Formats: sequence, structure tokens, C-alpha cells
Amino acid sequence: EAQVTQNPRYLITVTGKKLTVTCSQNMNHEYMSWYRQDPGLGLRQIYYSMNVEVTDKGDVPEGYKVSRKEKRNFPLILESPSPNQTSLYFCASSLARRVDTGELFFGEGSRLTVL
Amino acid sequence: GNSVTQMEGPVTLSEEAFLTINCTYTATGYPSLFWYVQYPGEGLQLLLKATKADDKGSNKGFEATYRKETTSFHLEKGSVQVSDSAVYFCALSRRGGGTSYGKLTFGQGTILTVHP
Repeated sequence: EAQVTQNPRYLITVTGKKLTVTCSQNMNHEYMSWYRQDPGLGLRQIYYSMNVEVTDKGDVPEGYKVSRKEKRNFPLILESPSPNQTSLYFCASSLARRVDTGELFFGEGSRLTVL
Repeated sequence: GNSVTQMEGPVTLSEEAFLTINCTYTATGYPSLFWYVQYPGEGLQLLLKATKADDKGSNKGFEATYRKETTSFHLEKGSVQVSDSAVYFCALSRRGGGTSYGKLTFGQGTILTVHP
């Protein structure tokens, strides 16, 4: 089954404790991206990657890091989480040629709470 | 930069009512426009799309027309069902290659609740 898998789905952590949210896709997609969803603000893009070893900042990259060492994985790293990073996070993937036609596959989301 | 503005929600309708959710955008060039739907507890799914001016996207009874002159992409459905209750997002992306390809901009989302 084609899918985008995120882990963990739920996490409560404390300020400053490094954490990683993993994202994996099984569709051989070149493009992967991270979003955060906050009430009243919709989805905002954090980082995206057009292929292995190619990453670019989205609209809200501050406080986050990403890496794309393998095509299937695109982990989101919070080196020193703060309460303003409490949010619902989504990973998405697509074929590179389908990005501008909106054909993204989304994971089920990871709800992160930073105390 | 690019931006997308959706009508404020939440929207509450009775079954079989007519639905309109307004969406306007600001973008350089000619973006592709989308509506995504998010059902409770799930990720987003592409509902419909339009890639050039005057295109009409349609799916599951929903439709939206790309209006370049008014920079709008309003979502409509003639008769909503309880199963349409979800959050709807308008979004745009830059077409073609070059810088910023891969950047998607979403509106704030509109919560739709349909009562029997």
C-alpha cells in the first residue's frame, strides 16, 4: 500500500530536549516536505526537498533542521524544542513532476506538545 | 511573496444546502491552484485542482474555477452531505521549474460542519 508514515504520532516533551520526527514514504517519490498546522494559520511549510541531498527552506524554518540522506526518508529535527513549536506536523511526498499539480501524499500527522 | 486567504469559518450547513467557500490569492506569475480536504484525524487529500486561468476543477460534486481577473478560486457544491464535514484548504504552487518550485502556500483552512 502506498503510504507516508510518520513517527511518533503523539509526543509530549520538555523544552530543550532534542527530538526527531521521522517520515518515510514507499512510493519512490523525489519530493518530500514538512508542514506545521496551527489553528487560524493553516498549514505552513517548514522545509522541503526535491531529491536526495537537496533541501530548501519553506516559510517557517527557524528552529528546525532536516536531512535527506536517502530517498525514502526525510526526518524533521528539533534541536532545542520550545513551547512555540507545539503543533500538528505533517509530512508529504510527491513525484517531482507532480508537485505543481498538487498531487501530494500526506502522512497522518504527528502531534507534538512542548512543555 | 505568495499568499492565500480563505473565508473565515466555521461554516455550518444543513444537509442538501449549497456550499461556497471563498478563496483569493496573491502570487507572482501564474500559479496552480488547489483545494485540499482534511477529514477528522487524517492527513490532507487533494480534492481538485486547476493549473491555468479559466480552468474548472471538479471532484465528488465539488467544483472551483480559476479566475485570474479576480485572483480567486472559490469552492462550491450544490448539495452538501453530512460526510462532507471536514476542513477545507485552498492552496497554490508555482508552476514550472526554477527557484521556489516545490513551495506550497496554504490558506488558513475552513471548518465545514453539515447537520442532517
